[in-house]
This record gives sequence, C-alpha cells and structure tokens, in this order.
Amino acid sequence: GENVEQHPSTLSVQEGDSAVIKCTYSDSASNYFPWYKQELGKRPQLIIDIRSNVGEKKDQRIAVTLNKTAKHFSLHITETQPEDSAVYFCAAPKGFQKLVFGTGTRLLVSP
Amino acid sequence: DSGVTQTPKHLITATGQRVTLRCSPRSGDLSVYWYQQSLDQGLQFLIQYYNGEERAKGNILERFSAQQFPDLHSELNLSSLELGDSALYFCASSAGGSNTEAFFGQGTRLTVV
Repeated sequence: GENVEQHPSTLSVQEGDSAVIKCTYSDSASNYFPWYKQELGKRPQLIIDIRSNVGEKKDQRIAVTLNKTAKHFSLHITETQPEDSAVYFCAAPKGFQKLVFGTGTRLLVSP
Repeated sequence: DSGVTQTPKHLITATGQRVTLRCSPRSGDLSVYWYQQSLDQGLQFLIQYYNGEERAKGNILERFSAQQFPDLHSELNLSSLELGDSALYFCASSAGGSNTEAFFGQGTRLTVV
C-alpha cells in the first residue's frame, strides 16, 4: 500500500531516557523523510529531515537514521525532557506530489 | 509562525450545510496540501495542488472539493456536512513537490452539530 507504518503508537519514558520511533515506507523512489512534532492543539512542525543520500543526521538531542535497503527510518531523541512530550509523525513522499504521514506516536516524558 | 495562513480558525455549522476553508501559502510556495485530522488521529492526505493544478488525490470524499487560484491561495469546500466531518483541517505549503519541506498552517477546527 501507500501508507507509512509507524511504531510504537504510544511511548512512555522517564526524563533523561532515550526514545526511538520507527517508520517503514513502501515507495522505493522516496528520497526525503521528514519528522514532525505536534503539540496538543497546535500545528505539526518539522523537527528534522533526512535525504536519501545520507544515512544519519543529528541536531542536538535529535537524530534520524535511514536504511534505504530495508526502507526504514527512525527518530532518536536522547536525554528526553518533559517538553518533548507530543505526538511525532514521520512522513515520506509517494510520487512527486503526495506526502504521506505515518499514524503518529504519542510520546510522554515523565519527570 | 510558519507563514501559512488558514481562515477561519474555528467553524461551527449544522449537518447538511456547506463550508469553505481558506489557505494562503507561504510567499513563493507553489504546492498546497490539504490534510484532515480527526480527534486523536493521524494526518489523512486529502488533495494537493501545484501552481494551480490538481496533482494528487488521497481519500477525499466526493462531497469535498478544492481548488488553487492564480494567486496560489487555496480553498477546500465541504458540502452536505455530516457529524463525522468534524475534524481539524490543515493546509500545508512547500516550494516544490513532496520532497521539499512542508510548512503547516494553524488549522481550521470544524465542528458539525
């Protein structure tokens, strides 16, 4: 199908722990993989993205890894903080025009 | 502020009615996407326009339609509204196709009563 599978649907961690969210896409031609964070009642906002010519990208406590062979990409958050609590969405292009989102992961970071 | 403007922010209407949601993309962006987000659900792709032309369709109901105007703003029309159409409707824009960063508006919360 054209969906992007995302796991887990919910993730609870203690402050300071790491969190990992995984996505699988189907279109082998996909070459751009963004991650969005959506806080309650707000718009999704891009937090990091990766293109298919690299395997990993880091931005402070956030990193994304890409395995093109397996069609997997993952979001890694280290040293989690309560303000990281939100819903995280991965996305992947389907063709040139369609940007398809995963089903979302609700991350809860407990103090 | 993402630069994408959606109006109205909130809309309450009765079943059977028709509403129009409006989106102004970021300056210079040619692509406009529409998404529906029901309560505690994901982002369902509805439709995408590029420089005035429809380029991709998702699971958009026949009661829904959209268009992008020459000035690149877009409107999403929802007709014969049902209770199940209550949702957040997001517009996003990007400079090019789906492999460029998409910026979201703040959404229009539609409540059908």
